[in-house]
Amino acid sequence: EAAVTQSPRNKVTVTGGNVTLSCRQTNSHNYMYWYRQDTGHGLRLIHYSYGAGNLQIGDVPDGYKATRTTQEDFFLLLELASPSQTSLYFCASSGGTGNYAEQFFGPGTRLTVL
Amino acid sequence: GEKVEQHESTLSVREGDSAVINCTYTDTASSYFPWYKQEAGKGLHFVIDIRSNVDRKQSQRLIVLLDKKAKRFSLHITATQPEDSAIYFCAASMTGGYKVVFGSGTRLLVSP
Repeated sequence: EAAVTQSPRNKVTVTGGNVTLSCRQTNSHNYMYWYRQDTGHGLRLIHYSYGAGNLQIGDVPDGYKATRTTQEDFFLLLELASPSQTSLYFCASSGGTGNYAEQFFGPGTRLTVL
Repeated sequence: GEKVEQHESTLSVREGDSAVINCTYTDTASSYFPWYKQEAGKGLHFVIDIRSNVDRKQSQRLIVLLDKKAKRFSLHITATQPEDSAIYFCAASMTGGYKVVFGSGTRLLVSP
């Protein structure tokens, strides 16, 4: 089974702070995703990537940057954090054959912006 | 773009009863409908999916129904057990697309 790890697991920062969330997957998947989970909204896609150096914009990208440095590593950057970005962030990867691909999720990072 | 609406935000059932979670979608081009389960304090994991070329799929106690005409799909959990208690997310995706759109989640509580 694919392994997806995230760090840190918890982060507290202040408004205007700079935060980097890290994700690593070890199953050689091509696709990686960043989501945020908020009550009443479910999971919303921030950014995703289909390989090193590639970045695709998701549904709620404002205030977020992302970078895919290797096939394994995908980073989410909040350069000027705001309280509205307080959320639970999940990274996921997928890369099965065919047209349909199960996503494998990390354990999540809880971010609080004061 | 695609929107997925999950109709029940919470659902409580007694152990052994069936639970049904309903979702609707907007884009007729969507053809793949996975379901994910999130246990307390954990990430999501895949439980079952259905593709648009069938209208029913079963995996043990899980049954997924798809009504393409109504753009509606549902997850049926039969003979519920306490370990079924979790948040369940429905999702939709188009053929060839690795991007899925999730519903808002249904918190299922199975009580003894």
